[in-house]
Amino acid sequence: NAGVTQTPKFRILKIGQSMTLQCTQDMNHNYMYWYRQDPGMGLKLIYYSVGAGITDKGEVPNGYNVSRSTTEDFPLRLELAAPSQTSVYFCASSPRGSAGLRIKTSGGTDTQYFGPGTRLTVL
Amino acid sequence: AQSVTQLGSHVSVSEGALVLLRCNYSSSVPPYLFWYVQYPNQGLQLLLKYTTGATLVKGINGFEAEFKKSETSFHLTKPSAHMSDAAEYFCAVSKRDFNKFYFGSGTKLNVKP
Repeated sequence: NAGVTQTPKFRILKIGQSMTLQCTQDMNHNYMYWYRQDPGMGLKLIYYSVGAGITDKGEVPNGYNVSRSTTEDFPLRLELAAPSQTSVYFCASSPRGSAGLRIKTSGGTDTQYFGPGTRLTVL
Repeated sequence: AQSVTQLGSHVSVSEGALVLLRCNYSSSVPPYLFWYVQYPNQGLQLLLKYTTGATLVKGINGFEAEFKKSETSFHLTKPSAHMSDAAEYFCAVSKRDFNKFYFGSGTKLNVKP
C-alpha cells in the first residue's frame, strides 16, 4: 500500500491564481480530511468527507472547495489564491465502517493516516 | 466545543533525561485522545491513543501517556530521551460520536547530547 499520497509537494502561486491539491489513498478508507498547518498553530481542519459524495466544512473552509467523487480521491481546490493561504496542507484518511455524519462507535475511534504534505506559497 | 492546550511550544531535554510533554483538553464529555509525532518535512504519525479501558496507554518508541479525567489531561512521557526523539509532537482530541479531530498547537522537542 502506498497509503496517502499528495501532489504536488511544493507550489508557488500568484495572488488570484487557482489550483487543485491532489490527495489519494489506497486503503479503502471512508473518511478523508484536509488540514492546513501554520507555524505555531497546529493543524486546522478545512474540510472532511465521510464517504464518496459526502463532504462537510471544518474549522477554516473559507477560500477552499472539495469534492469526493470516489473513495480514493479527495482533491482540495483553491479558486482565488491569497497570501493568507500560504501554509502546509495535509491530507489524511481514516477507516470507518459506515458512512454518515454521525455514527455510533463500537468502543473506539480510528487512527488518521497522514500524507506527506504540500507546501504552498502564495505571493 | 472541543479544544486542546499544549503547554510549552518548545521543550529541551538532555539525552537520557525524562521527557514530559503536557496536554490538557476541554470537552463536555470524555473524548478520545491522541498523540502524534511529526518529523521535519513529513506528515504526522500516530504515537498512541486513548479510547476506553486502561488510562495508561503505551505507544511506539517507548512513549506512554496517562488519561486523567479529573485533571482533563493526557500528558506524554518517556523515561529516557533519545536523539531520534527530536520532533514536533501534537496532542489531539476527537468526540466519541463524531470522527472529527482537534489538534493542539504542538510542542517541539529538542534533545541535547
